[in-house]
Amino acid sequence: SQQGEEDPQALSIQEGENATMNCSYKTSINNLQWYRQNSGRGLVHLILIRSNEREKHSGRLRVTLDTSKKSSSLLITASRAADTASYFCARVSYNTDKLIFGTGTRLQVFP
Amino acid sequence: SAVISQKPSRDICQRGTSLTIQCQVDSQVTMMFWYRQQPGQSLTLIATANQGSEATYESGFVIDKFPISRPNLTFSTLTVSNMSPEDSSIYLCSVVTNLLNTEAFFGQGTRLTVV
Repeated sequence: SQQGEEDPQALSIQEGENATMNCSYKTSINNLQWYRQNSGRGLVHLILIRSNEREKHSGRLRVTLDTSKKSSSLLITASRAADTASYFCARVSYNTDKLIFGTGTRLQVFP
Repeated sequence: SAVISQKPSRDICQRGTSLTIQCQVDSQVTMMFWYRQQPGQSLTLIATANQGSEATYESGFVIDKFPISRPNLTFSTLTVSNMSPEDSSIYLCSVVTNLLNTEAFFGQGTRLTVV
C-alpha cells in the first residue's frame, strides 16, 4: 500500500479545544507535508517540514517531526468550527519524485 | 503558486464508456501528477505525467486503463477507460515545481460516478 497511517481516523471536539493528529510512515523522507481538504474536493497546503527540522509553526498550527520514530503530529490550537475538514499528511521519500498521502483524519469541531 | 483548472468538475457515465479529464495550469510546471480518491478515502497516486514521454504508473494502475497525455508543461489529460462502478471516485490533478522544497497544488477534482 502507498499510504502511511494516520490516527485518529476521526476526531470530534468542541470549539476552543486543541486537536492533535498523528502520522506515521515507513521509509526515510526528504520532507513531510500536511494538507487540509474540505468537502472532498481540492486540497490546501498547510505546512511543509523537512527531515532536518523538528518543529514548525504557522498561526494556530504546530507540526512536529520525529525521524527516529518515523512520525509526525499536527496540533491545531483553539479550534474553530471552520477547522472542520479532513487533514492529510503526505511524504516525499528519499530518491523519489512523488508525494504519497497518509490515510487522513476527519476533524469535526462543534460550536 | 499555481492555478489549476480541471474539467469536467463532475460527470455521470455509463459503464463500459471512457471519460477524459483535462488539467490546465496557468504556468509552466515541472511535475504533474494524477490521484484518485475513492469515497471516504485518502488520495492514491495513479501516475506521474511526463512531458513528451509515457507516464510513470504506480503499482496497481496500468496505461490501458488510465492513459495519460502531457503534450506540454501546462496541460495534461487522464482518461478513465472502459469504466465500471468501481471507478467511481474523485480524480485530482496536482502540480509541483520542486517537491523537495515546495508544496503541491491541486485542482478542484473531477467527481466521477459510473452507473
